[in-house]
Amino acid sequence: DIQLTQSPSFLSASVGDRVTITCRASQGISSYLAWYQQKPGKAPKLLIYAASTLQSGVPSRFSGSGSGTEFTLTISSLQPEDFATYYCQQLNSYPNTFGGGTKVEIK
Amino acid sequence: QVTLRESGPALVKPTQTLTLTCTFSGFSLSTSGMCVSWIRQPPGKALEWLALIDWDDDKYYSTSLKTRLTISKDTSKNQVVLTMTNMDPVDTATYYCARIQPSVEAYDYWGQGTLVTVSS
Repeated sequence: DIQLTQSPSFLSASVGDRVTITCRASQGISSYLAWYQQKPGKAPKLLIYAASTLQSGVPSRFSGSGSGTEFTLTISSLQPEDFATYYCQQLNSYPNTFGGGTKVEIK
Repeated sequence: QVTLRESGPALVKPTQTLTLTCTFSGFSLSTSGMCVSWIRQPPGKALEWLALIDWDDDKYYSTSLKTRLTISKDTSKNQVVLTMTNMDPVDTATYYCARIQPSVEAYDYWGQGTLVTVSS
């Protein structure tokens, strides 16, 4: 199985901050990586797929980059509604594993 | 409008078999490239991928759980069923179903999830 390691696991930031979350794969996954946002009690919401393609309706302050084994999710200017937990997922091979999550909290 | 909804028991006893149904609308699982998957999340923990079935009836399972899982589909009813045998308290989680469509290489629609508690 491909392991995904997210860092940091916890992040404290202020509104307006630029935030970067990293996801590292245990082996190359080309660009088959997605990012999700999850708020308490809700299902995950797709933000980015194919490493850098913004899902329809997602604000442009979210962006993704990377390929191979290292990927990043960037929020250019953190908004109050962005405080949530973020997960990466690889879709290169089965099982489609998830990272351990990054919780973004208000500073 | 694409929707998915999970249904099943809220409480199961240890050693029992869990059967969950994902009922969906707005798409057909007979369309080439379409897939439905099950994912779970124990309280306060990360997401865990469980299984996937595709339009061609190919099935894929979590490596650690594959001996306990069976996924199937009923295309005419727009349903995907997951069974998990020999339930244990550590299987207590919210279980989600989600869809992959051909043009989006990710899970673009999710159900709201159903909490399953394993307890005697």
